Amino acid sequence: AQKVTQAQTEISVVEKEDVTLDCVYETRDTTYYLFWYKQPPSGELVFLIRRNSFDEQNEISGRYSWNFQKSTSSFNFTITASQVVDSAVYFCALSLDSGGYQKVTFGIGTKLQVIP
Amino acid sequence: DTAVSQTPKYLVTQMGNDKSIKCEQNLGHDTMYWYKQDSKKFLKIMFSYNNKELIINETVPNRFSPKSPDKAHLNLHINSLELGDSAVYFCASSPLRGLGTGELFFGEGSRLTVL
Repeated sequence: AQKVTQAQTEISVVEKEDVTLDCVYETRDTTYYLFWYKQPPSGELVFLIRRNSFDEQNEISGRYSWNFQKSTSSFNFTITASQVVDSAVYFCALSLDSGGYQKVTFGIGTKLQVIP
Repeated sequence: DTAVSQTPKYLVTQMGNDKSIKCEQNLGHDTMYWYKQDSKKFLKIMFSYNNKELIINETVPNRFSPKSPDKAHLNLHINSLELGDSAVYFCASSPLRGLGTGELFFGEGSRLTVL
């Protein structure tokens, strides 16, 4: 069975602070994919990143960076110099093969509030 | 052009009614999904279709019936609506059915309120 845990339900930071959103996953599969999605107050779900289980390289995209560590089954997301526009609910997700199709399981989300 | 579009965006109805939500994607994807997001923001998969074939059917009451007339459309019909059905329903698509075929492309969601 697969599981995604986002232990932080809500985080508040002051603008320009750095913030890390934690994600821990559980699976017995050796091949899987991990994702992060953003859901701003407007409600749409926006894809941020996808990472496969064989690629542990960290990734940086502007102010966003992701740290994937298989040893701790974690895929954490850091926002550097946070901005008000970063306020959103962020979802970590795990994709596994299930009978030849992709089944994606989401964490409960972390609500990030960036205070000006 | 919206890649994944859902209609209606908002739906308010009485308990016991039957309602449908429509979804269309113009991305040429083979696989489509319905997710339910409850009031606590938890996203849970309900159904998935690949090229009109049902491939995922989670533990969902049989009052919910998906229909895929073609691979670009996946509609959700709900019979005998209950208060607990109030949620935001998201349609999504992905290029293929298998693992690693890419991220999910979501529609804007349809907010269903049952009174």
